[in-house]
Amino acid sequence: ETGVTQTPRHLVMGMTNKKSLKCEQHLGHNAMYWYKQSAKKPLELMFVYNFKEQTENNSVPSRFSPECPNSSHLFLHLHTLQPEDSALYLCASSQDSGRTYEQYFGPGTRLTVT
Amino acid sequence: AQSVTQLGSHVSVSEGALVLLRCNYSSSVPPYLFWYVQYPNQGLQLLLKYTTGATLVKGINGFEAEFKKSETSFHLTKPSAHMSDAAEYFCAVSRAGGTSYGKLTFGQGTILTVHP
Repeated sequence: ETGVTQTPRHLVMGMTNKKSLKCEQHLGHNAMYWYKQSAKKPLELMFVYNFKEQTENNSVPSRFSPECPNSSHLFLHLHTLQPEDSALYLCASSQDSGRTYEQYFGPGTRLTVT
Repeated sequence: AQSVTQLGSHVSVSEGALVLLRCNYSSSVPPYLFWYVQYPNQGLQLLLKYTTGATLVKGINGFEAEFKKSETSFHLTKPSAHMSDAAEYFCAVSRAGGTSYGKLTFGQGTILTVHP
């Protein structure tokens, strides 16, 4: 595997379910990001991790819970979601979030909340 | 605070015609500027970036962009459109310093359609 991978690519879940999104980067980067991409809205940065430490939480509801066990893996745990949470969730990585390096994106997980 | 405005949510061109996608930014400090492309059901791919130095930046797939500080613009161009260029394009800005170091702010995107 190369670059940034995300699983699953598609997920349908009910409002009472608990699921997790997984992201893995094979680039040797130290920073990882979660973005939400909704139709007709700009990309929304959700969380930033730098060297496994969360450095930014962009006022994300607590029903989204990130986890970064190491610099290569990032998870987004989901529970009690709402229909408006349906979106494409993108993971990205960069060399270091403390400086401006370009971010490399995964293909995304298309989430539908029913 | 920094912001990005992409003029035109949809741009349509004929194959072989010039592609021009407009991006204006707002930043209180020198910006770093990026263009990304997103094909259907895929993530974002970096096309090109401006950090410092030469203001005309060349990227992949024949695209280029020019940083114009006086106009606070970073428009994306390609001399001759191909059908494979049909995608959504995002302009992004990042601060070159300060507390938002490294944080990207994206524009709303421009969908490029290429007609045969």
